[in-house]
Amino acid sequence: QVQLQESGPGLVKPSETLSLICSVSGDSITSSFYYWGWIRQSPGQGLEWIGRVFYTGSTHYNPSLKSRVTLSADTSKNQLSLKLGSVTAADTAVYYCVREPFFDDLLPGGDRSYSYYMDVWGTGTTVTVSS
Amino acid sequence: QSVLTQPPSVSAAPGQMVTISCSGTSSNIGRNYVSWYQQVPRTAPKLLIYDNNKRPSGIPDRVSGSKSGTSVTLGITGLQTGDEANYYCGTWDSSLNSYVFGSGTNLTVL
Repeated sequence: QVQLQESGPGLVKPSETLSLICSVSGDSITSSFYYWGWIRQSPGQGLEWIGRVFYTGSTHYNPSLKSRVTLSADTSKNQLSLKLGSVTAADTAVYYCVREPFFDDLLPGGDRSYSYYMDVWGTGTTVTVSS
Repeated sequence: QSVLTQPPSVSAAPGQMVTISCSGTSSNIGRNYVSWYQQVPRTAPKLLIYDNNKRPSGIPDRVSGSKSGTSVTLGITGLQTGDEANYYCGTWDSSLNSYVFGSGTNLTVL
């Protein structure tokens, strides 16, 4: 049974860097079938995709957060890392770690059709940005 | 403002059927595969449907997904009080180069 567990400080000061770790058990992050991603949910709000990382280090980021976020994978520890810089109160949220299976199809005309979805979720960790 | 449009709320009686719509564009739903997630308050979301209409192991067949053009629909039959939750659609947006979620729909089982 695959389990994801987020950990990190629950309180971060404005302008500082938010750092979280996701520990993965029951699966290896070096699997070629999955990306590993992060999603957040602000209080009373919907879900926001932050980004994903492949075990090789390849990343995709939400354009709205790209300038401030860094995702990485530590294959020796089977862990993922999220760093979000220059945080403000708007970054207060529950942060979830997820596993993302993926594939793509070639469409007529040469475009590609993508399948990404989140099949395993961590329990989430609450991060509050406040002085 | 979410890229994918969902109704804020839906309701139905126990035992009845409900559908939840999710509308997008040719760069997201029209081109890519869609998934649906159920989130009971104060818990992590759970995958209900992936690749438009596939159910993960453990999801009952009273839950279904369908796609037509730039819209998708989640259907739940035989409603139970345990189905009360928020439901989100999600997919890749090839123009934004980002995964996008709908704004969520709150299901009430009356």
